[in-house]
Amino acid sequence: DIQMTQSPSTLAAFVGDRVTITCRASHNIGKWVAWYQHRPGKAPHLLIYETSSLKSGVPSRFSGGGSGTEFTLTISSLQPEDFATYYCQQYTNSWTFGQGTTVEIK
Amino acid sequence: EVHLLESGGGLVQPGGSLRLSCAGSGFIFDTYGMAWVRRTPGRGLEWVSAISATGRTTYYADSVRGRFIISRDNSNSTLFLQMNGLRVEDTALYFCAKAPERIIAFFDYWGPGALVTVS
Repeated sequence: DIQMTQSPSTLAAFVGDRVTITCRASHNIGKWVAWYQHRPGKAPHLLIYETSSLKSGVPSRFSGGGSGTEFTLTISSLQPEDFATYYCQQYTNSWTFGQGTTVEIK
Repeated sequence: EVHLLESGGGLVQPGGSLRLSCAGSGFIFDTYGMAWVRRTPGRGLEWVSAISATGRTTYYADSVRGRFIISRDNSNSTLFLQMNGLRVEDTALYFCAKAPERIIAFFDYWGPGALVTVS
């Protein structure tokens, strides 16, 4: 099985900060990574697929990068609605999620 | 607009059964793969099961294989998860998720979830 390890598990930041979340895969997964945002009580929301492709309607402050085994999700200027938990997911071999990164207000 | 809505969650004793349903709308249901994903406080998101657009091919995580059965009724745009032999560790918020095409890769729409408590 391919394991996905996110860091940090929790991140405290101010509105306007630039934040980066990292996801490491236990095996080479090429570019087959997606990122999701999940706010409590809401449905998870796809942000990015295929490492860096932004889903239609997602603000451009979200961006993704990386390849192989290391991937990043960056929020260029944190907005109040961005405080949530973020998950990476690989889809090369079955489907595996990272354990999540919670972005909290500082 | 795509909508997914889960139902059927609840409290069940260990060894019991539950059947989750997911009603889809706003898209042509029988042209997309679908899946169930669950979230637990300790393990985050965990893929549970997936099914092809036609329903002919199914996939299961090792943790649920032999106990859970995924199915779909394309005529009624509904996805199901029959959960048997439930264990305490199956306690989770269960999400229905839609693939962006017939091939199941990532998930472009999710429901708000149905809570299953095994205790």
